[in-house]
Amino acid sequence: EAQVTQNPRYLITVTGKKLTVTCSQNMNHEYMSWYRQDPGLGLRQIYYSMNVEVTDKGDVPEGYKVSRKEKRNFPLILESPSPNQTSLYFCASSPTVWGGKNYGYTFGSGTRLTVV
Amino acid sequence: GDSVTQMEGPVTLSEEAFLTINCTYTATGYPSLFWYVQYPGEGLQLLLKATKADDKGSNKGFEATYRKETTSFHLEKGSVQVSDSAVYFCALNTGNQFYFGTGTSLTVIP
Repeated sequence: EAQVTQNPRYLITVTGKKLTVTCSQNMNHEYMSWYRQDPGLGLRQIYYSMNVEVTDKGDVPEGYKVSRKEKRNFPLILESPSPNQTSLYFCASSPTVWGGKNYGYTFGSGTRLTVV
Repeated sequence: GDSVTQMEGPVTLSEEAFLTINCTYTATGYPSLFWYVQYPGEGLQLLLKATKADDKGSNKGFEATYRKETTSFHLEKGSVQVSDSAVYFCALNTGNQFYFGTGTSLTVIP
């Protein structure tokens, strides 16, 4: 089944303790992205990646890191989480977003992160 | 910058009522437009899309027409069902980024 898999689904952590949220897709998609969803703010893009070893900042990158060493994986790293990073996080992938071939995203099921 | 504005909710309708959720956009160039749906506890799912002016996207009885002159992409359905209860997001893609609206919550009551 074609899908984007995020882990974990739920995570409670303490301020300052490094964590990684994993994201993997099995569709050979080139484009991957991370979003956070907050009430009243919709989805905001954190980072995106056009392909392996190519990443770029979205609208709210502060406090996050990403890497794209393999095409299928795009982990989100919080080096020193803070309470304002409590949110619902989504990973998404797309075959491409260039040249009019805008297929739209396939989203993961989300990771609800609470930082206390 | 590029952005999407959609009508605020929540919206509550009776089963078989007509649905319209308004969406307008601001973008340089010629964006592609999308509607996504999010059911409780799940990720977003692509509902429909349109990649150029005057295109009509449709799926599961939902429709939206890409109107360049009014910079709009309103979502419509002629007869909603209880199972349509969800949050709906309008989105645009321009260049290599997507921009989402804040979402409109729809509740359909029997």
